[in-house]
Amino acid sequence: EAGVAQSPRYKIIEKRQSVAFWCNPISGHATLYWYQQILGQGPKLLIQFQNNGVVDDSQLPKDRFSAERLKGVDSTLKIQPAKLEDSAVYLCASSLSSGGTGETQYFGPGTRLLVL
Amino acid sequence: AQSVTQLDSQVPVFEEAPVELRCNYSSSVSVYLFWYVQYPNQGLQLLLKYLSGSTLVKGINGFEAEFNKSQTSFHLRKPSVHISDTAEYFCAVKAAGDYKLSFGAGTTVTVRA
Repeated sequence: EAGVAQSPRYKIIEKRQSVAFWCNPISGHATLYWYQQILGQGPKLLIQFQNNGVVDDSQLPKDRFSAERLKGVDSTLKIQPAKLEDSAVYLCASSLSSGGTGETQYFGPGTRLLVL
Repeated sequence: AQSVTQLDSQVPVFEEAPVELRCNYSSSVSVYLFWYVQYPNQGLQLLLKYLSGSTLVKGINGFEAEFNKSQTSFHLRKPSVHISDTAEYFCAVKAAGDYKLSFGAGTTVTVRA
């Protein structure tokens, strides 16, 4: 079974530029998550989708971050314009159903973003 | 809201020695508890999880954890570590009925020969 795929793996941009990350979850997984992991910290949930609807985006800085999950499969996370403090690893995860139980979230390898 | 505290940020350990990583949580409701491992430049991989039942949970790669409700802890142990266990370990908690997984800050384990 293929895991969660993410691209690109690394990205370096200058502040005020825009950037987009792509995630393909495990086939059949209804729920998709985007996390931000700043160096030295645990992952922090940015947004959660169930199918193509947003369940929670309370921690997403909506003035600069946006995310979509068209057709309930792939997802993109965009930052525009980027700030220095956006330097982090962006992790995508997926789970089989609603995530409301003790089910496992499966993580992709992450995209490491450096904003100069 | 629930939260997680990992009491050690770094744990150096010699190969074949035992290791314990400490995790405490706070929550006003029942919880599910998880330990994930992150190898360098990789995503997170589930080691084990506690949902209910036996408080001693066995996971992959020889790891086990014990849920202690009275002490609100979920410590991770391995009796004999290998060089390949060098990684960052994250404890996470999810409240029953909630979907949000809250992570601790992580513990970096460095295994030396």
